[in-house]
Amino acid sequence: GAGVSQSPSNKVTEKGKDVELRCDPISGHTALYWYRQRLGQGLEFLIYFQGNSAPDKSGLPSDRFSAERTGESVSTLTIQRTQQEDSAVYLCASSPPLFTDTQYFGPGTRLTVL
Amino acid sequence: AQKVTQAQTEISVVEKEDVTLDCVYETRDTTYYLFWYKQPPSGELVFLIRRNSFDEQNEISGRYSWNFQKSTSSFNFTITASQVVDSAVYFCALSEARTGANNLFFGTGTRLTVIP
Repeated sequence: GAGVSQSPSNKVTEKGKDVELRCDPISGHTALYWYRQRLGQGLEFLIYFQGNSAPDKSGLPSDRFSAERTGESVSTLTIQRTQQEDSAVYLCASSPPLFTDTQYFGPGTRLTVL
Repeated sequence: AQKVTQAQTEISVVEKEDVTLDCVYETRDTTYYLFWYKQPPSGELVFLIRRNSFDEQNEISGRYSWNFQKSTSSFNFTITASQVVDSAVYFCALSEARTGANNLFFGTGTRLTVIP
């Protein structure tokens, strides 16, 4: 498809387990962003990639959160030892190289930690 | 520090009414960008508009219009003749060119319900 895709769309896990969330940006978009949206709230910035490097990791809430990106394409957000407060929708966005301030969002992954 | 305030948490209007969603921002930068996104019940954020700090012209796109006023640090969004399909959460956002990070600072959103 032409848009940003994310998988899985829904993930239910038990507290303490690790989870991996995947984002496929729009082809040709060099910038990629991860956000978290808790129920009924706005978006919290987590991390930003320009190419494969992450110049801004300021939003990662703890060292249990990490992200990587390979080949200026797919990115994975990993949450280790999940906690109930990690339950949220995780949104990925990408932006083109010449218009870096307009971000196009994927449908999100809804994570539920039991 | 950057900040985006959407004071209206929820708004309900009857179909065909006009509605204005307020957005007030704070930034120390002279170069910045303002955005509106729509999040329908499906959850996917839909980009509506991007405005840079040097362009204060109001914009109209169909039933949508935006009023950018630097003097009051506001970027309000008006929907004319609202329709049920306009029901969604609308987010105002700000990014600053200074750091190059280009991440967006979002307001908490306004939930609009259009009643048929």
